[in-house]
Amino acid sequence: NAGVTQTPKFQVLKTGQSMTLQCAQDMNHNSMYWYRQDPGMGLRLIYYSASEGTTDKGEVPNGYNVSRLNKREFSLRLESAAPSQTSVYFCASSPSYNYGYTFGSGTRLTVV
Amino acid sequence: KQEVTQIPAALSVPEGENLVLNCSFTDSAIYNLQWFRQDPGKGLTSLLLIQSSQREQTSGRLNASLDKSSGRSTLYIAASQPGDSATYLCAVEPPGQNFVFGPGTRLSVLP
Repeated sequence: NAGVTQTPKFQVLKTGQSMTLQCAQDMNHNSMYWYRQDPGMGLRLIYYSASEGTTDKGEVPNGYNVSRLNKREFSLRLESAAPSQTSVYFCASSPSYNYGYTFGSGTRLTVV
Repeated sequence: KQEVTQIPAALSVPEGENLVLNCSFTDSAIYNLQWFRQDPGKGLTSLLLIQSSQREQTSGRLNASLDKSSGRSTLYIAASQPGDSATYLCAVEPPGQNFVFGPGTRLSVLP
């Protein structure tokens, strides 16, 4: 099925470890986004990529890096995980501004 | 800064009831408004997208309306079913900016 695919679905990290969350879309969308969702905080934008080759910070970028590998793939990297980064991470994509978002199923990350 | 609120935060209704979920935003200068559904432990599923030139959208038992001048949108669910139980989020897209999400309304439809 066409859509946004995120891997892994679940991950447990120890403080200080690094990892990369992967996201791929097969809808030929130009824009891709990374959000985190925390209880009581709602969805907060971490980074986004308006088009291939560009990335920009969102509301909560500290502690994260991103790579727009090609038009299909947008990865999120945690270089040194902290317990405050325990969250559910969602990737989304959109054709461009003025169109809606399509979300992936999420990655549930726990940092101990 | 655009802010989005949703009232009520939680709602419990008996099966078969018609219901309305509310979404308010502080800046009326928006392009689009999108309603999503999120089941526990799952991702967001798009329900309806109201684009800049539209005032409402319908899909099955769902109807969403948008009044930009008053900064409000409503999601109407007809003849609710237990399978409608989920959290419903609205999001608005300011011109040239990314979507801003509301906190959601948690709906429980009781058999």
